[in-house]
Amino acid sequence: AQSVTQPDIHITVSEGASLELRCNYSYGATPYLFWYVQSPGQGLQLLLKYFSGDTLVQGIKGFEAEFKRSQSSFNLRKPSVHWSDAAEYFCAVLGPGAGSYQLTFGKGTKLSVIP
Amino acid sequence: DTEVTQTPKHLVMGMTNKKSLKCEQHMGHRAMYWYKQKAKKPPELMFVYSYEKLSINESVPSRFSPECPNSSLLNLHLHALQPEDSALYLCASSQDPSGGAVNTQYFGPGTRLTVL
Repeated sequence: AQSVTQPDIHITVSEGASLELRCNYSYGATPYLFWYVQSPGQGLQLLLKYFSGDTLVQGIKGFEAEFKRSQSSFNLRKPSVHWSDAAEYFCAVLGPGAGSYQLTFGKGTKLSVIP
Repeated sequence: DTEVTQTPKHLVMGMTNKKSLKCEQHMGHRAMYWYKQKAKKPPELMFVYSYEKLSINESVPSRFSPECPNSSLLNLHLHALQPEDSALYLCASSQDPSGGAVNTQYFGPGTRLTVL
């Protein structure tokens, strides 16, 4: 079965600093990978996704992620963090489940931004 | 437009009440999902509807009863819930439930449920 590991539970960065959130996945075939962001009490918003092709994918809000098959990683980056980026970030992989394909989420990384 | 709407935004109910959560999408998606999310945890899949038929029931207690009246609408009927059922209930939809790009899931804002 597929799995996702987000090694960092909580990250704090200063506003304007760069950001990298780590995600490692386990999946037997070519993975379909996603990053979602969740503000407190809100739903999940899709930041970006990877299916195939270019390993550097661009998303919304200035985020990008790089797929590295050799490292089984799909890390999320942003060159300059804004205070509004403070939220919970979930990495997910799409894989087969009991009767359909399902998203398997990592446990999430909480991002705090210092003004 | 990738909007999924959910009502109500908040719901407080007693353990003997019957209530329903509603989810709607107008993107022509043929797969719809219910997730449960406890605080500081990732979402957990509860139900999947594929072309208006229930395809997954992740061993969810019978006090949760899903319904998909048409391809745009998904309901979750609640009855005799327990305090531990208090959580954020998220609805999502995707173009198709199969593996691949068509299974990009878009989430609604959620319903915050409190069971007293």
